[in-house]
Amino acid sequence: DTAVSQTPKYLVTQMGNDKSIKCEQNLGHDTMYWYKQDSKKFLKIMFSYNNKELIINETVPNRFSPKSPDKAHLNLHINSLELGDSAVYFCASRPGLAGGSSYNEQFFGPGTRLTVL
Amino acid sequence: EDQVTQSPEALRLQEGESSSLNCSYTVSGLRGLFWYRQDPGKGPEFLFTLYSAGEEKEKERLKATLTKKESFLHITAPKPEDSATYLCAVQVRTEYGNKLVFGAGTILRVKS
Repeated sequence: DTAVSQTPKYLVTQMGNDKSIKCEQNLGHDTMYWYKQDSKKFLKIMFSYNNKELIINETVPNRFSPKSPDKAHLNLHINSLELGDSAVYFCASRPGLAGGSSYNEQFFGPGTRLTVL
Repeated sequence: EDQVTQSPEALRLQEGESSSLNCSYTVSGLRGLFWYRQDPGKGPEFLFTLYSAGEEKEKERLKATLTKKESFLHITAPKPEDSATYLCAVQVRTEYGNKLVFGAGTILRVKS
């Protein structure tokens, strides 16, 4: 299946721990994103990478560090987890110019529900 | 500051009862308006992109329209499987590149 996949689906952890969320897309897209969806359902962009290069870094605490080992992967590492980090995190990708008329359409992964206790 | 406001927050319809969802926006430099559908426990699924006022797009029972200040998602004769949260987003330009700014969504429930 061609898609954006994320692991794990659920992540429950204690305050102060360090955790990672992995994202992979096999769509051949150029650009990848991390979004946070809070309890009020607002989706907010956190980071954007284009061809492994960081493009957008919104006002996110530096405890959050994205890493893109190659164009198909964008992982999110979170240090010293806090209660307020509890949310659903979505990875997304976009074709870019190679996508023709679809170049701006973002395809989202299934999300990772992070619960910090 | 770029803002997207969706109304109503929630909408309950009977099967076959047509209605519209609203997305109003105030942005500096609109570079497209997007509609997504999100089912519980899943990621948003792309529906439409609109780029200029007067543009319309259709897909099955859904039609999206765009003016200079708002967009409407019209749902004609909805079915229970249309129940979902519908998200509106505007693409804006930043010094770093384009980004999507989302509204809070409209939760649609269609009863048979």
